[in-house]
Amino acid sequence: DVKVTQSSRYLVKRTGEKVFLECVQDMDHENMFWYRQDPGLGLRLIYFSYDVKMKEKGDIPEGYSVSREKKERFSLILESASTNQTSMYLCASRDGGANVLTFGAGSRLTVL
Amino acid sequence: QQQVKQSPQSLIVQKGGISIINCAYENTAFDYFPWYQQFPGKGPALLIAIRPDVSEKKEGRFTISFNKSAKQFSLHIMDSQPGDSATYFCAARGWETSGSRLTFGEGTQLTVNP
Repeated sequence: DVKVTQSSRYLVKRTGEKVFLECVQDMDHENMFWYRQDPGLGLRLIYFSYDVKMKEKGDIPEGYSVSREKKERFSLILESASTNQTSMYLCASRDGGANVLTFGAGSRLTVL
Repeated sequence: QQQVKQSPQSLIVQKGGISIINCAYENTAFDYFPWYQQFPGKGPALLIAIRPDVSEKKEGRFTISFNKSAKQFSLHIMDSQPGDSATYFCAARGWETSGSRLTFGEGTQLTVNP
């Protein structure tokens, strides 16, 4: 089975801190995605990457950046965390020609 | 801009009942419509999916009904069980120059009472 691992399940940060959320997949998938999950708002796409060193903005990229230096790793960066970035963050990966997204278990971030 | 609208936001049914979750979309270029199921503490996982050239797809107790002209699709869970209690997301696939991406609905929290 494809496994998508988000190393940090729970994080508590202070306003203004720089935050790194790491995601690693083990099935050589080309495509990787970062979503944000909030009650009543569903899953909203922050950034995605179709290949190494490629990145594209999703629907809500403001306040975030990403890094994909290796195929298996896709990092989400909050340059200066704010309270409105308190949320559940979900990473997903997909083989380039496939329809199915495989999600990690999520990283719950609280910004105080 | 939310292009996939999902309702209801929450749903409570009794064991053995039918759960129905509805979604509506705007973009007629969407060409694939999956449903994802998410249990507490887990990421969403694909449950069932349909393409717009068919009106219905059934897998066990789960059925997608698709109405292309109305731009609506729905998930029916027959004989609902407490183990079906989860959050359900509909989604639709669109295409951009660089590839495809899914747009998700707002989610429905389903509770099945024993």
